[in-house]
Amino acid sequence: ETGVTQSPTHLIKTRGQQVTLRCSSQSGHNTVSWYQQALGQGPQFIFQYYREEENGRGNFPPRFSGLQFPNYSSELNVNALELDDSALYLCASSPFGGALETEAFFGQGTRLTVV
Amino acid sequence: GENVEQHPSTLSVQEGDSAVIKCTYSDSASNYFPWYKQELGKGPQLIIDIRSNVGEKKDQRIAVTLNKTAKHFSLHITETQPEDSAVYFCPGGATNKLIFGTGTLLAVQP
Repeated sequence: ETGVTQSPTHLIKTRGQQVTLRCSSQSGHNTVSWYQQALGQGPQFIFQYYREEENGRGNFPPRFSGLQFPNYSSELNVNALELDDSALYLCASSPFGGALETEAFFGQGTRLTVV
Repeated sequence: GENVEQHPSTLSVQEGDSAVIKCTYSDSASNYFPWYKQELGKGPQLIIDIRSNVGEKKDQRIAVTLNKTAKHFSLHITETQPEDSAVYFCPGGATNKLIFGTGTLLAVQP
């Protein structure tokens, strides 16, 4: 087990609603990244948090936002849900902010379905 | 490197055979090459990685080779087993922003 835990595991929301997904990073890891994985595709980088600050963002609209807490856990918030937001949302933690060559430890993901 | 192309997109082998997946990168400055395995219903997991100062690295049935001149690196799985069936990725980018392609779906037929 990687030690990264995500909740909930599955979620069904209605178009237009808002959702919050949660991630607890592996012990000792201060960096958390979020990815969206559509069916049959590779994960796509949403953003990363390092020591409670956003530290890089992918090509996602502002309705995707996040937080990191002092204990390094993190939340991903998505407003005004669209059908295309249906995907597996993955959280990954790593031990050193800014380090380019370390393993990223992924959680099992949250399967979000928007209807 | 930032842009990485992976082949093949699907691979079916018989149990016990070897499997090889190849990735080609474009950035000459790249010096870290990880391989991730994603089983159904799980998040990706690092299975092996290599740095540019090494040409080959092995871990039991898994090996990665790096050809810096040709800018490609390959994952080799020997004596494949049904539990090797998964999607394999060779993401570009860096740990703080991994760039995944669509991966290689490996099916090991018993």
